[in-house]
Amino acid sequence: QLVLTQSPSASASLGASVKLTCTLSSGHSTYAIAWHQQQPDKGPRCLMKVNSDGSHIKGDGIPDRFSGSSSGAERYLTISSLQSEDEADYYCQTWGIGPLVFGGGTKLTVL
Amino acid sequence: EVQLVESGGGLVKPGGSLRLSCAASGFTFSNYEMSWVRQAPGKGLEWVSSISSGSTYIHYADSVKGRFTISRDNAKNSVYLQMDSLRAEDTAVYYCASHLAGSYIDYWGQGALVTVSS
Repeated sequence: QLVLTQSPSASASLGASVKLTCTLSSGHSTYAIAWHQQQPDKGPRCLMKVNSDGSHIKGDGIPDRFSGSSSGAERYLTISSLQSEDEADYYCQTWGIGPLVFGGGTKLTVL
Repeated sequence: EVQLVESGGGLVKPGGSLRLSCAASGFTFSNYEMSWVRQAPGKGLEWVSSISSGSTYIHYADSVKGRFTISRDNAKNSVYLQMDSLRAEDTAVYYCASHLAGSYIDYWGQGALVTVSS
């Protein structure tokens, strides 16, 4: 079964960097994923797609501070030079034949 | 500019029905698959249903199968979600989302709140 696992929470200081992790379930380590950001009281927006080789394609208008990478079954979202507006929920998402699959989300707190 | 605008949300009693609409603009709607994703209060994102570009392939989450019906009108650049036999646990913000076939969501709507309560 295709499952995405995320840590429920993360925190980092203003101006620092943070790396969020999304883990694909066993047998699905070659799947690409997408990262979505949901700021408080807003709808989600797509940040980027991350492939299994670590290459990534960003969505429209996404700053260079956001980057993606991969290692095995793990997909990462790195945010550098953290700003207050980066405090949000971050969801990874992938797809099978039919359903879309979401991770449980990581709540990022900017200290 | 890509826009997805949902409408039709509201308050409905358990067992009732509601129809959500999503109007798309700024891209070639007929080339894209469309999905509905919901978010219950304080919870994460949950996929509800998807429809292929030509309406050939339709999928539903088990939680809504037999109660919800997704459809689209490519001439009107719109996708719909007919929700019947609504339950309290269907209370959520419902988002319309676009994606290419076998790919990730690239655009989201702003959401429509559906509240099921007596």
